[in-house]
Amino acid sequence: AQSVSQHNHHVILSEAASLELGCNYSYGGTVNLFWYVQYPGQHLQLLLKYFSGDPLVKGIKGFEAEFIKSKFSFNLRKPSVQWSDTAEYFCAVNAGGSARQLTFGSGTQLTVLP
Amino acid sequence: ETGVTQTPRHLVMGMTNKKSLKCEQHLGHNAMYWYKQSAKKPLELMFVYSLEERVENNSVPSRFSPECPNSSHLFLHLHTLQPEDSALYLCASSQVAGGVGGKNNEQFFGPGTRLTVL
Repeated sequence: AQSVSQHNHHVILSEAASLELGCNYSYGGTVNLFWYVQYPGQHLQLLLKYFSGDPLVKGIKGFEAEFIKSKFSFNLRKPSVQWSDTAEYFCAVNAGGSARQLTFGSGTQLTVLP
Repeated sequence: ETGVTQTPRHLVMGMTNKKSLKCEQHLGHNAMYWYKQSAKKPLELMFVYSLEERVENNSVPSRFSPECPNSSHLFLHLHTLQPEDSALYLCASSQVAGGVGGKNNEQFFGPGTRLTVL
């Protein structure tokens, strides 16, 4: 069965710092990859997605992620975070063997200090 | 209303009660999902419906009973729950269920129902 690992459970940064959140998955075939964000008190929103093509994906609010197939990774990056980026971030994978299932990582809580 | 809506937003129930959670999607999608979000744990997929047919049931206890009367509505009927069932229950929809490599299985989430079982 596929699994998703987010190794950073809680990240604390100051405004303007650069961000990189790790995401690794276990599945050797074709995958769809997602990053979702959950702001305090709000519902899950899609930040960006990868289906095929250019492995560097740009999403909303200045976020981007790079799919590195050889490393089974899909790390999320932002060059300069803002206080409003404080939220929980979830990586998710949709794999060929169980394409109806979106498997989520455990989430990373990002706190940005003003 | 747009997107995916869920009612109620908060629910407190005793272990002997019977209640239902409702989800409605206004996106014209054909697939709907129930997830459970517990503190400090990954989102757990509970059920998947595609064209009103249940296509996934992830070993969910029978005290949770889903119903999908049409492609726009999804219910989760609850009875004799346990305190450990307290969680945020999320509904999601996608244009289709499955199809890796395609663009139609992106899931859109509702705001969730915060359930507390006493």
